[in-house]
Amino acid sequence: DADVTQTPRNRITKTGKRIMLECSQTKGHDRMYWYRQDPGLGLRLIYYSFDVKDINKGEISDGYSVSRQAQAKFSLSLESAIPNQTALYFCATSDLLGRPQHFGDGTRLSIL
Amino acid sequence: SQQGEEDPQALSIQEGENATMNCSYKTSINNLQWYRQNSGRGLVHLILIRSNEREKHSGRLRVTLDTSKKSSSLLITASRAADTASYFCATVSGGYNKLIFGAGTRLAVHP
Repeated sequence: DADVTQTPRNRITKTGKRIMLECSQTKGHDRMYWYRQDPGLGLRLIYYSFDVKDINKGEISDGYSVSRQAQAKFSLSLESAIPNQTALYFCATSDLLGRPQHFGDGTRLSIL
Repeated sequence: SQQGEEDPQALSIQEGENATMNCSYKTSINNLQWYRQNSGRGLVHLILIRSNEREKHSGRLRVTLDTSKKSSSLLITASRAADTASYFCATVSGGYNKLIFGAGTRLAVHP
């Protein structure tokens, strides 16, 4: 089983819909992250969480919200999806500051 | 804004050749990390080099870091078709373990 699991792997939806992407991890890491990847660009940080009570905005948080339900679960929501949120979304975890991050296989989201 | 910028954007080589990718960044860093992304998959960490290190090896990978030039390079020796992927550098600055990624280099290794 994967250490970082993202669901769903693919999602097609319509403008204005509410969408939730889920991430769960078995690595026991406190830190979790949500990134967005667009073609030709690197990953950009949406939100990050250092523990259940500590959630922080990243570089591009507008239009997104998150919930850290437990140490192992971190979900990303798009309250009212718009087409320019079509992208590949990744969840990642890490243990200590500055250490490598462990990524899930991503959710490919298409908003029509 | 992106911290790291990879060069070249795309690289095509034959099996057995060496592949060199470069990364430049803008601000001081704690460490720099290289990741690989196979098509349709998540990123996989390859190697981390700290700001006080100049060179690091891992198998067929060699990473160098020049903090005076704010640049790093990733060398893959004796490349294989399985090395075909996108490679990203990411910098860590400050105290929050936030990775800031470059746009990546797409490497194609032909049999």
